[in-house]
Amino acid sequence: ELKVEQNPLFLSMQEGKNYTIYCNYSTTSDRLYWYRQDPGKSLESLFVLLSNGAVKQEGRLMASLDTKARLSTLHITAAVHDLSATYFCAVDIRNYGQNFVFGPGTRLSVLP
Amino acid sequence: DVKVTQSSRYLVKRTGEKVFLECVQDMDHENMFWYRQDPGLGLRLIYFSYDVKMKEKGDIPEGYSVSREKKERFSLILESASTNQTSMYLCASSLSQAYKVGQPQHFGDGTRLSIL
Repeated sequence: ELKVEQNPLFLSMQEGKNYTIYCNYSTTSDRLYWYRQDPGKSLESLFVLLSNGAVKQEGRLMASLDTKARLSTLHITAAVHDLSATYFCAVDIRNYGQNFVFGPGTRLSVLP
Repeated sequence: DVKVTQSSRYLVKRTGEKVFLECVQDMDHENMFWYRQDPGLGLRLIYFSYDVKMKEKGDIPEGYSVSREKKERFSLILESASTNQTSMYLCASSLSQAYKVGQPQHFGDGTRLSIL
């Protein structure tokens, strides 16, 4: 059975600190997506990672993919309160079309 | 910007009712998806469609059906609503990967459905 795991599930951090969210998956895939969800809102696409070693950065967030280790990371640099949200990774397990399997989400709270 | 519109933000129905959730996208996307989101379980795929009149079961299709008569519209149907179908339902769409691999799915705002 395919599993997509995220660690940690809950993260409380202070502004200005750095931290990393991990996404492990149990099947072969080279297509991984990161999403952000604010409370009561829908999911917003953050990053699309399409190959081993892919790295994408946007502001204080940087995502990377290691397909051999079946691991993606979302690194937060110098966190600010506006980054408080739930972050999901999703693995596309289908070669034709799309079939996303989502992780359980990491709820991030950035405290002043 | 892609716009995925779900017909209701909140919906309350009774056990046994037939429930229709509607989703419309305005970007001519081939792919459309229905998920449910429950605390601690993430998003789980109910059904998806790659083209008009085509549908495929996702991970949890039991108790649901779908309809895609037009490219822009994808409907989720609860044939006989039950309390365990109380959840947040999210619709998504994406461009076919035949054009370019790695198309993100774009999500609607969700429908919070309560079955009493």
